[in-house]
Amino acid sequence: GQNIDQPTEMTATEGAIVQINCTYQTSGFNGLFWYQQHAGEAPTFLSYNVLDGLEEKGRFSSFLSRSKGYSYLLLKELQMKDSASYLCAVRDRASGGSYIPTFGRGTSLIVHP
Amino acid sequence: DVKVTQSSRYLVKRTGEKVFLECVQDMDHENMFWYRQDPGLGLRLIYFSYDVKMKEKGDIPEGYSVSREKKERFSLILESASTNQTSMYLCASSSREGRNEQFFGPGTRLTVL
Repeated sequence: GQNIDQPTEMTATEGAIVQINCTYQTSGFNGLFWYQQHAGEAPTFLSYNVLDGLEEKGRFSSFLSRSKGYSYLLLKELQMKDSASYLCAVRDRASGGSYIPTFGRGTSLIVHP
Repeated sequence: DVKVTQSSRYLVKRTGEKVFLECVQDMDHENMFWYRQDPGLGLRLIYFSYDVKMKEKGDIPEGYSVSREKKERFSLILESASTNQTSMYLCASSSREGRNEQFFGPGTRLTVL
């Protein structure tokens, strides 16, 4: 089984930087995903980390430390449209040759002017 | 443009009814998933399938069954709907290769009265 923890809610100001943390405990790690989900919409893929370190993609970066069971999503130059839920998902169990992710409960980010 | 579609955005059923939720993907993905999403609980895996006619239980399979007769289609069945199955149901698909990131459908908001 898995235990994935992320804060329930965070608030930040437009133009600022925010870091959303995710900690996990797993028996066989095989990758960590971040997804963004706007209210009433489907989750969409943001980033993927399988090796330690930082992956940068525009205003969004994601970091992974496998030894610490820790990841964060960093959002720079926040915009109002970044108000959304951010889902951390850890992939560890396998079936039929495929790995299956388990999701955390999500962090609701509110960006205010 | 990749696409996962679900048969209904909103559905209202009565307790005891048999309910079918359909999901179709056009990306030739091997893996397909059914989740339910409830406030405060995040995304919880009901069933997944890694190939045609193959299915595996997720974390909360009780009260649900699935069918995958064709690669592009994955159906979720509620044999006898109950009020505690009122929820948002999300279908997703992923490739067996590469990152395996999931692509989600728009969701079906099911209300059981």
